[in-house]
Amino acid sequence: AQSVTQLDSHVSVSEGTPVLLRCNYSSSYSPSLFWYVQHPNKGLQLLLKYTSAATLVKGINGFEAEFKKSETSFHLTKPSAHMSDAAEYFCVVSPQTGANNLFFGTGTRLTVIP
Amino acid sequence: EAGVAQSPRYKIIEKRQSVAFWCNPISGHATLYWYQQILGQGPKLLIQFQNNGVVDDSQLPKDRFSAERLKGVDSTLKIQPAKLEDSAVYLCASSLGTGVTGELFFGEGSRLTVL
Repeated sequence: AQSVTQLDSHVSVSEGTPVLLRCNYSSSYSPSLFWYVQHPNKGLQLLLKYTSAATLVKGINGFEAEFKKSETSFHLTKPSAHMSDAAEYFCVVSPQTGANNLFFGTGTRLTVIP
Repeated sequence: EAGVAQSPRYKIIEKRQSVAFWCNPISGHATLYWYQQILGQGPKLLIQFQNNGVVDDSQLPKDRFSAERLKGVDSTLKIQPAKLEDSAVYLCASSLGTGVTGELFFGEGSRLTVL
């Protein structure tokens, strides 16, 4: 079975400070892992993905995530938050093999304080 | 490049009424998905099409929900009769192929409120 747990439903940071959004996964197979972002009244957009290549994955807008198999984690980070980063972030898992399906976490709402 | 188009953006109906949502995927994308996103939860897959065939509809409540993609392009999701718990945002997404190692492109969603 595949699932993801996003440890924080809401994260608040000051502009210019680091961002850390935490995600732990459970998967019976070697998973593919993704982070998607959803801005208000906008469609979900892929930030980055891990598909068994390099464990440190760089995405758009300065975000990156590190796949740690020993910790079953895929945390999302950014060195310096910008006001435009305020949005809902979803950690997503999919099995490498088997049914083509994405399992979404419950989301983390990021607030950026000026 | 045009994105995934969905309509209507908002719909309010009473329980036991019916509703239909339409999706036009990105041109050339063979795979189309419908997701349900209930407030405070992550999106959940309802049905996945590859061209005009169904790949996965295991999470679709077939007693009230139906979906079709007759010509392998645009798709319609119908709910009849609606229940209060169907209040959600219905997201359509498309991708070039079936492998989820590829990127899914999402529309802005259709927000349904059932009173």
